[in-house]
Amino acid sequence: GIQVEQSPPDLILQEGANSTLRCNFSDSVNNLQWFHQNPWGQLINLFYIPSGTKQNGRLSATTVATERYSLLYISSSQTTDSGVYFCAVEGTNAGKSTFGDGTTLTVKP
Amino acid sequence: KAGVTQTPRYLIKTRGQQVTLSCSPISGHRSVSWYQQTPGQGLQFLFEYFSETQRNKGNFPGRFSGRQFSNSRSEMNVSTLELGDSALYLCASSLWSENTEAFFGQGTRLTVV
Repeated sequence: GIQVEQSPPDLILQEGANSTLRCNFSDSVNNLQWFHQNPWGQLINLFYIPSGTKQNGRLSATTVATERYSLLYISSSQTTDSGVYFCAVEGTNAGKSTFGDGTTLTVKP
Repeated sequence: KAGVTQTPRYLIKTRGQQVTLSCSPISGHRSVSWYQQTPGQGLQFLFEYFSETQRNKGNFPGRFSGRQFSNSRSEMNVSTLELGDSALYLCASSLWSENTEAFFGQGTRLTVV
């Protein structure tokens, strides 16, 4: 099945810094989503982005499907951005999303 | 509109027992997928239901089963619980089975003792 690799596994930033999280996938995908898992375990939707670029406030994402990667940008990070960020892709096996192992972001005040 | 609702939120069961978890999708959504999250294995796909039919299944033993009702609500059942079944079980709701955005519930945290 499709493989999803996220990097870096851990990231520690000072408040106000910018960061880039990467998601590589091994095969063509039908869709790709970025999530932020809150401390209570719920996955919060950030972007639904099978291709192209989207922006939402301080967050933006770019997926280059032909090169099999996606990037999540966080600008002017805040302590509330801390948590685990997941990339999930749906390959040709419709209805099944494969998740990466996540990037754990810690933003220090 | 209401989000995805999972019940119960927390559950403690004894080895050998069975458990049923429930997921109510967003109104109008017809696809429900289930995932297991553990510290060691990460997020793993269990199965997906669309219009009351199981469309896809992950690599889990037959003790894990599910179903979907005509109102799109879904249940998953785990029989003969093992300690290793302790996990966060997450349900995702989407409009269609493929190429659509998935929305997750808050999860059910199952502890097997």
